[in-house]
Amino acid sequence: GNSVTQMEGPVTLSEEAFLTINCTYTATGYPSLFWYVQYPGEGLQLLLKATKADDKGSNKGFEATYRKETTSFHLEKGSVQVSVSAVYFCALNSNYQLIWGAGTKLIIKP
Amino acid sequence: EAQVTQNPRYLITVTGKKLTVTCSQNMNHEYMSWYRQDPGLGLRQIYYSMNVEVTDKGDVPEGYKVSRKEKRNFPLILESPSPNQTSLYFCASSPPGTRRGDTQYFGPGTRLTVL
Repeated sequence: GNSVTQMEGPVTLSEEAFLTINCTYTATGYPSLFWYVQYPGEGLQLLLKATKADDKGSNKGFEATYRKETTSFHLEKGSVQVSVSAVYFCALNSNYQLIWGAGTKLIIKP
Repeated sequence: EAQVTQNPRYLITVTGKKLTVTCSQNMNHEYMSWYRQDPGLGLRQIYYSMNVEVTDKGDVPEGYKVSRKEKRNFPLILESPSPNQTSLYFCASSPPGTRRGDTQYFGPGTRLTVL
């Protein structure tokens, strides 16, 4: 079946470090891929998405490229700030349902 | 302001006492969905609705009911709550013109505790 696997957290980085959060997926067909972010005490917000192979989604300095050959959609950002500390979820769309990864908690220390 | 609202935001109840969590969106979205979020498990879909009077089970529908009598509202009903339904619940909606289920807009969440 379809599934999404994310790197386990928490991921702890210092300010201005480079961020990578790994996400790999298993799916039939050509799903859309997403990254959502959840700040403390809030609901999830769409961060970026990609709808076909080799697409790059980007938003607020975050990027992720849809790699069909490696079935991956890793999230990257250069020079992170404390304000991006949150939980990040990778997801794919399959048959009108979003299939979610378990989430990766990101902690940025000043 | 375009948004998804949920009520209540926090609820503590006892086993077996029926409750309803309301969800409303003002964006004219057809697709709506309910999730529960539990530590280490990510989000799991409970039910979703493609349009008025059309609902379908998600991954974990047992113990829940939903209805979709109007486009804007999608209440979640727990007829006889049990402690294993203690969780954080999110309602979400998705705009038309995208593949259904893409780009979901989430409510702020309802933290439910069943004693």
